[in-house]
Amino acid sequence: EAGVAQSPRYKIIEKRQSVAFWCNPISGHATLYWYQQILGQGPKLLIQFQNNGVVDDSQLPKDRFSAERLKGVDSTLKIQPAKLEDSAVYLCASSSLGQGGETQYFGPGTRLLVL
Amino acid sequence: KQEVTQIPAALSVPEGENLVLNCSFTDSAIYNLQWFRQDPGKGLTSLLLIQSSQREQTSGRLNASLDKSSGRSTLYIAASQPGDSATYLCAVMRGAQKLVFGQGTRLTINP
Repeated sequence: EAGVAQSPRYKIIEKRQSVAFWCNPISGHATLYWYQQILGQGPKLLIQFQNNGVVDDSQLPKDRFSAERLKGVDSTLKIQPAKLEDSAVYLCASSSLGQGGETQYFGPGTRLLVL
Repeated sequence: KQEVTQIPAALSVPEGENLVLNCSFTDSAIYNLQWFRQDPGKGLTSLLLIQSSQREQTSGRLNASLDKSSGRSTLYIAASQPGDSATYLCAVMRGAQKLVFGQGTRLTINP
């Protein structure tokens, strides 16, 4: 079974530029998550999708971050314009739709450096 | 608001030692607690998942315990090996599949 795929793996941009990350979850997984992990901290949930719909985006800085999940499969996360504090690893995860408490499977992450 | 704390932030031990990593959380209303491993430049790998009704889970040399009433969990690693060197993250799951992570413990096993 293929795992969660993310691209690109690394990205360096200057502040005020835009950037987009892509995630392909495990086949059949209804729930998809984007996390932000700043160096030395644990991951923080940015947005959670269930199929096409957003379940939770309470911690997404909506003035600059946007995310979509077309057709309930792949997802993209965009930052526009980027700030220095956006430098972090962006992790995508997916899980099956069950009774609750299902394990989340994580991709390798995209490491973003904003200069 | 659920907060998860891991102590120590970093730990270095000689190979072969048994060790314990600690995790504490402020709200006992959780679905489950998970321990993850994160290697440099890689994503997270789930090691153990303890449901809220359980007290412990074991996998090989790893044993995780959960005490909901006191808001604590421990990850016990027996006979540590250099390959165990990684960052270990504790996370609690609240409603609707929401994971709240601690900041992690960076573990180094010295040969």
